[in-house]
Amino acid sequence: DTGVSQNPRHKITKRGQNVTFRCDPISEHNRLYWYRQTLGQGPEFLTYFQNEAQLEKSRLLSDRFSAERPKGSFSTLEIQRTEQGDSAMYLCASSSTGARSPLHFGNGTRLTVT
Amino acid sequence: RKEVEQDPGPFNVPEGATVAFNCTYSNSASQSFFWYRQDCRKEPKLLMSVYSSGNEDGRFTAQLNRASQYISLLIRDSKLSDSATYLCVVNRGNTGFQKLVFGTGTRLLVSP
Repeated sequence: DTGVSQNPRHKITKRGQNVTFRCDPISEHNRLYWYRQTLGQGPEFLTYFQNEAQLEKSRLLSDRFSAERPKGSFSTLEIQRTEQGDSAMYLCASSSTGARSPLHFGNGTRLTVT
Repeated sequence: RKEVEQDPGPFNVPEGATVAFNCTYSNSASQSFFWYRQDCRKEPKLLMSVYSSGNEDGRFTAQLNRASQYISLLIRDSKLSDSATYLCVVNRGNTGFQKLVFGTGTRLLVSP
């Protein structure tokens, strides 16, 4: 399977704990995106990498959130001191270069903060 | 006001029906436009891009009206497998980077 892979699929954590999610994009894709989706809403943009450079961050990405893509391949999204409002589906997507290159989304990581 | 607005539905239609979804966007600087499909508890998948001249892909037809900032999707001869949420998406990115802004989605239920 050469699609976008995310793990874990589900994460339940207590408020105040730190969590980290991993995304493995399609290997030849140099662009990687993180989105967040809550129930009944469309996905919301969080951040974007081109290779290892993080080129844009949404205002939704508070200072408790940090994303990395150290070698331009896989990416991690860490949330520190989780809050109940962080409960959502975190989606990773990748694409090749080009304005109309479609985004390929992974299955997502569903986070529940109790 | 949301940047991309869609009727959330649900639209309940019988098999074989024709159904149309509409979407409006507020940012006139939007660069490109798409329809994505999302099945329950699954990731969004690109259904089709939307071009200024309108475009068709099998039973699906997309239209764009830049002057009115309006996008539509028409599904002909609905199948049970078309049941899903259809997300209207605009791209506000520049230099080729896709900063996609999603609508809340329109839910379609096709019944036998």
